[in-house]
Amino acid sequence: GAVVSQHPSRVICKSGTSVKIECRSLDFQATTMFWYRQFPKKSLMLMATSNEGSKATYEQGVEKDKFLINHASLTLSTLTVTSAHPEDSSFYICSASILMGDIGYTFGSGTRLTVV
Amino acid sequence: AQSVSQHNHHVILSEAASLELGCNYSYGGTVNLFWYVQYPGQHLQLLLKYFSGDPLVKGIKGFEAEFIKSKFSFNLRKPSVQWSDTAEYLCAVNARNTDKLIFGTGTRLQVFP
Repeated sequence: GAVVSQHPSRVICKSGTSVKIECRSLDFQATTMFWYRQFPKKSLMLMATSNEGSKATYEQGVEKDKFLINHASLTLSTLTVTSAHPEDSSFYICSASILMGDIGYTFGSGTRLTVV
Repeated sequence: AQSVSQHNHHVILSEAASLELGCNYSYGGTVNLFWYVQYPGQHLQLLLKYFSGDPLVKGIKGFEAEFIKSKFSFNLRKPSVQWSDTAEYLCAVNARNTDKLIFGTGTRLQVFP
């Protein structure tokens, strides 16, 4: 149980285009989801908290106009990288918290974005 | 703001050696604590977690961690590592007044046969 499905797993796009990454909770409702970015050989950096039905909360230093987050339903959050540039190339991971019952967090399998 | 520190960035061990990876956090309130492992080319896997109760937590693959509240630490240990333990190890902390999970910088473990 508590599976998060993330798509696509890999995407290559041209500089200047936008890319949408989807994160779905398959067997539970996720009122809150999180988006992380992992730089090469580095840890996971929390980008933003996605809240169903309201605006996302961005961490300091994350451009909200570049990384658009939409959480329109209890099972779907999307991250859109707008006007992508090569420096946006990275590994993006979504997560949902299931803290009731001391379960913890479940993670998507990640999306490798390459901007050429 | 809460932060998580992992002081060992890269650890190299021979098989059968003992392992201890440090994790310290900065947050004065109640926390939930996690250790994750990321094998090359794979995604995150939970090793163990602490929510409450016995501060010595046992996880999968022979790993354990001890929560020392006075030291704000949650160090990971394994008495005898194997080559297959080669991976990235990430400590993470959730402050209970939020849902956020904050990761440390990670420790890359290399185990040589």
